[in-house]
Amino acid sequence: KAGVTQTPRYLIKTRGQQVTLSCSPISGHRSVSWYQQTPGQGLQFLFEYFSETQRNKGNFPGRFSGRQFSNSRSEMNVSTLELGDSALYLCASSYMGSSYNEQFFGPGTRLTVL
Amino acid sequence: TQLLEQSPQFLSIQEGENLTVYCNSSSVFSSLQWYRQEPGEGPVLLVTVVTGGEVKKLKRLTFQFGDARKDSSLHITAAQPGDTGLYLCAGDSSGNTGKLIFGQGTTLQVKP
Repeated sequence: KAGVTQTPRYLIKTRGQQVTLSCSPISGHRSVSWYQQTPGQGLQFLFEYFSETQRNKGNFPGRFSGRQFSNSRSEMNVSTLELGDSALYLCASSYMGSSYNEQFFGPGTRLTVL
Repeated sequence: TQLLEQSPQFLSIQEGENLTVYCNSSSVFSSLQWYRQEPGEGPVLLVTVVTGGEVKKLKRLTFQFGDARKDSSLHITAAQPGDTGLYLCAGDSSGNTGKLIFGQGTTLQVKP
């Protein structure tokens, strides 16, 4: 079974631009979560989508948004980029069929904002 | 706000030594995962512990979940250079929301 895939792997943008990142979950997984990883803050939860609905949201500004499609693929968008948005953005998928939540991560998208 | 305190943050040891990484919280978690991450890659799931007091072994790695499900530990026996990486603990408070709370991570370097 193929793992979680994320595209693109690397992105360089300038301040004020917007960016869209894509995530394809493991086949059969219906939940997709997004995290931001920086050296100073570690892994921080952005949001989670399940059956095309945002079910949870972390403490990030409204510039960060996402969506999920009927095939469970997900995208996240960051508008009006700031230097501090430079980070590794990780997507994780989960089956959600058991009593506990096991998440499987993709390789991430490294975003650099200049 | 739920927090997971992970210690130590950095660990540099010689091949063959043993080590323990701790993950502590004042909150109860329904499950706790341990991940290992290599530079430039996503975290790879090592184990999930669910039951208080549970102990799981994965070759030279031993994972324990505290009785009260507020803390966990990872013990590595006879560390090898291939164990080098960032170890992360992550807790799930509700069991069904897709949101994990991560510790800050432990960077482990095992020198040959």
